[in-house]
Amino acid sequence: DGGITQSPKYLFRKEGQNVTLSCEQNLNHDAMYWYRQDPGQGLRLIYYSQIVNDFQKGDIAEGYSVSREKKESFPLTVTSAQKNPTAFYLCASSIPGGTRYTFGSGTRLTVV
Amino acid sequence: QKEVEQDPGPLSVPEGAIVSLNCTYSNSAFQYFMWYRQYSRKGPELLMYTYSSGNKEDGRFTAQVDKSSKYISLFIRDSQPSDSATYLCAMSVIGGTSYGKLTFGQGTILTVHP
Repeated sequence: DGGITQSPKYLFRKEGQNVTLSCEQNLNHDAMYWYRQDPGQGLRLIYYSQIVNDFQKGDIAEGYSVSREKKESFPLTVTSAQKNPTAFYLCASSIPGGTRYTFGSGTRLTVV
Repeated sequence: QKEVEQDPGPLSVPEGAIVSLNCTYSNSAFQYFMWYRQYSRKGPELLMYTYSSGNKEDGRFTAQVDKSSKYISLFIRDSQPSDSATYLCAMSVIGGTSYGKLTFGQGTILTVHP
């Protein structure tokens, strides 16, 4: 079955650590996105990529980094510069310019 | 002011009720309008989409868009406990540097009790 796989489901980070969230898709979609979800704030765009080896900052990119070396993969690194990283992180994909996103099941990151 | 405003609720209704969920927006360039449903601790799933003013119906769900008022709605008829979820409106422009990017509302938490 085609879909998006995010791992891990739960992640705990210590202060000052970098952590990487995995996102893999087998839908053959060119475009991939990372969103952050906080209670009462909806989804906010962190980074997006319309094609391999290219990506753009979203609305809240500070403290995050991404790479897009393969069409299927779009990992997100939450760096120590992100001051409030505790949130639910969602990865999505679509055809280029498409608005019908397919989302993964999310990763819940908690700072301990 | 946020580009998309959605009443976060929570909204609690009895089974069988008609539910109305609403979003307003300020960017007149938005042309695609979507509703996503998100169950607890899951990713959102696309429920309905439309790109024109008027109504679009799919089973118990009706999406309504009024571009002149910058207002969209989702109606759920004969609501069921399985409809209990967070409903997110989302919008997109067509073309330009924002091509394909969605702007989401805050989400409305809906509970349908038996």
